[in-house]
Amino acid sequence: AQKVTQAQTEISVVEKEDVTLDCVYETRDTTYYLFWYKQPPSGELVFLIRRNSFDEQNEISGRYSWNFQKSTSSFNFTITASQVVDSAVYFCALSPLTSGTYKYIFGTGTRLKVLA
Amino acid sequence: DAGITQSPRHKVTETGTPVTLRCHQTENHRYMYWYRQDPGHGLRLIHYSYGVKDTDKGEVSDGYSVSRSKTEDFLLTLESATSSQTSVYFCAISEDWDSGGYTFGSGTRLTVV
Repeated sequence: AQKVTQAQTEISVVEKEDVTLDCVYETRDTTYYLFWYKQPPSGELVFLIRRNSFDEQNEISGRYSWNFQKSTSSFNFTITASQVVDSAVYFCALSPLTSGTYKYIFGTGTRLKVLA
Repeated sequence: DAGITQSPRHKVTETGTPVTLRCHQTENHRYMYWYRQDPGHGLRLIHYSYGVKDTDKGEVSDGYSVSRSKTEDFLLTLESATSSQTSVYFCAISEDWDSGGYTFGSGTRLTVV
């Protein structure tokens, strides 16, 4: 079975706090991609990062960082020093590559509210 | 140029009527997808296309059909709209598995009354 679980439905933090969004996935495929997308209140889906299953290096991009651990099937997303503009729904997605069609399986999303 | 546009952006329709949503791309990408977004479900795949006239079903395809007669256009048709099809519909495109990820359209908010 292919599945993505984002157990945190909603998180509220005060500006400048750090926050981690959890993502746990299930797949039998050995080759796959993991993604994070941001959906701000305006509704569009914004690509944040892609990670393939062979690359477990953590990545940092400004205030954003991602921790990929195959041993726990997790791909967590941390925002450091959160800002009000980070308020959005964040989706984690899995794309197993053996299907050959690059379909995504999305988690249900985590709504992040950053309070001023 | 947005690269991918969806039309209409908003639509209200009556139960039982057919509805067609359009996704248009200017990127010449091979793959196109239709997803629906509902609270508590994230995004779920309805149908996808891997080339002109090549389409296949996703996990929530009942009540929907698609057509792709040109590379740039992917149409989603609700054959007889029901209230359960009230949703936000997103189109996405991708070039191939190594292209970095989907590019999404801006979404179509459909309300079936």
